[in-house]
Amino acid sequence: KNQVEQSPQSLIILEGKNCTLQCNYTVSPFSNLRWYKQDTGRGPVSLTIMTFSENTKSNGRYTATLDADTKQSSLHITASQLSDSASYICVVSIFTTSGTYKYIFGTGTRLKVLA
Amino acid sequence: NAGVTQTPKFQVLKTGQSMTLQCAQDMNHNSMYWYRQDPGMGLRLIYYSASEGTTDKGEVPNGYNVSRLNKREFSLRLESAAPSQTSVYFCASGVREFPHEQYFGPGTRLTVT
Repeated sequence: KNQVEQSPQSLIILEGKNCTLQCNYTVSPFSNLRWYKQDTGRGPVSLTIMTFSENTKSNGRYTATLDADTKQSSLHITASQLSDSASYICVVSIFTTSGTYKYIFGTGTRLKVLA
Repeated sequence: NAGVTQTPKFQVLKTGQSMTLQCAQDMNHNSMYWYRQDPGMGLRLIYYSASEGTTDKGEVPNGYNVSRLNKREFSLRLESAAPSQTSVYFCASGVREFPHEQYFGPGTRLTVT
């Protein structure tokens, strides 16, 4: 069964600290993996996207890594800011036999950054 | 350039009532999607439209219907609302070409009593 699991479910850190969020997937055939940031009451916004051949991708203070062999990804946030408080969602896409893309969403990690 | 817009933002329905959620995008995308988001669960696909004139069922289509009115607009209809349809609904649009990016609307919070 295609699944995307994220850990931890929630995380509280102090402003300025770093943190790492985890994503494990059992999805096949894998097309690409992306991380979204979802602020409370808003829709998800894309942070990074990686294909199976990419190991790392950065977007400012956000760095995503991908190990396609172990089917694991992580999102590292450096020097956290209050505005980083949000849910972070890992999404894996697969290319279906009907020629369309299917997206498998994780349940997200809720991050709270305290002053 | 508004991106993806959804109306209404909030709605309360009684069991058995019907309503239509509206979605529009101004990015000239071919693909549009309707998802629902429930606590403790990932976003689940209700219906999608790969192009104008086509619609297909997603993971949880029961109790919903959709209309791809034109390239810009994709509506979701609840014919007879049930409490199990209480959720936050997101519309998204996207491109077929790599990286197959999806852009989400702000969501509609629906409560069915």
